[in-house]
Amino acid sequence: DIQMTQSPSSLSASVGDRVTITCRASQSISIYLNWYQQKPGKAPKLLIYAASSLQSGVPSRFSGSGSGTDFTLTISSLQPEDFATYYCQQSYSLLFTFGPGTKVDIK
Amino acid sequence: EVQLVESGGGLVQPGRSLRLSCAASGFIFDDHAMHWVRQAPGKGLEWVTGIGWNGAGADYADSVKGRFTISRDNAKHSIYLQMNSLRVEDTAFYYCAKDIRPSIAAAGFNGFDSWGRGTLVTVSS
Repeated sequence: DIQMTQSPSSLSASVGDRVTITCRASQSISIYLNWYQQKPGKAPKLLIYAASSLQSGVPSRFSGSGSGTDFTLTISSLQPEDFATYYCQQSYSLLFTFGPGTKVDIK
Repeated sequence: EVQLVESGGGLVQPGRSLRLSCAASGFIFDDHAMHWVRQAPGKGLEWVTGIGWNGAGADYADSVKGRFTISRDNAKHSIYLQMNSLRVEDTAFYYCAKDIRPSIAAAGFNGFDSWGRGTLVTVSS
């Protein structure tokens, strides 16, 4: 099975900061990588699919990059509504494993 | 507007069964694969199972394989999760999610673009 890891597990940042979250797969998954945002008490929201494709309606301050085993989610200028937990997910295998999550909170 | 509404959760004793339902509306149901994802309170997301538009392609997380069964009824725009031999560690919010793709395939650019609000399953004696 493909294992997903994320770093850091949490971070504190200020509004306007540039934030980068890393996701690593235990084997090469090409670009079959999605990113989700989840706010407390809410369902997750798809932000990025296929490693770098922005889901419709998602602000352009969110971007994704990477291929193979290493991926990043970048928020170019953190907004108040971006404080949340972010998960990566691989869609390379039929078991759609999620990463453990990265919690972004207010500094 | 896409809507996914889960139902069927509740308190159940270990070893018993429960059946979850997810009613979908606002999109062409037959055009999309569907999934169940769960989240234990305060924990991360765990994909449970998924099913293609035609009922094919279902697979299961190792933690539920042999105990859970997913199915769908395209005429009723619904999917179901039959959960047998429930364990305390199955306690979680169970979310229904819509796939951006019609089929589930390895390296198939699947992604979950709409989610329900979830239904809580508590397994406890």
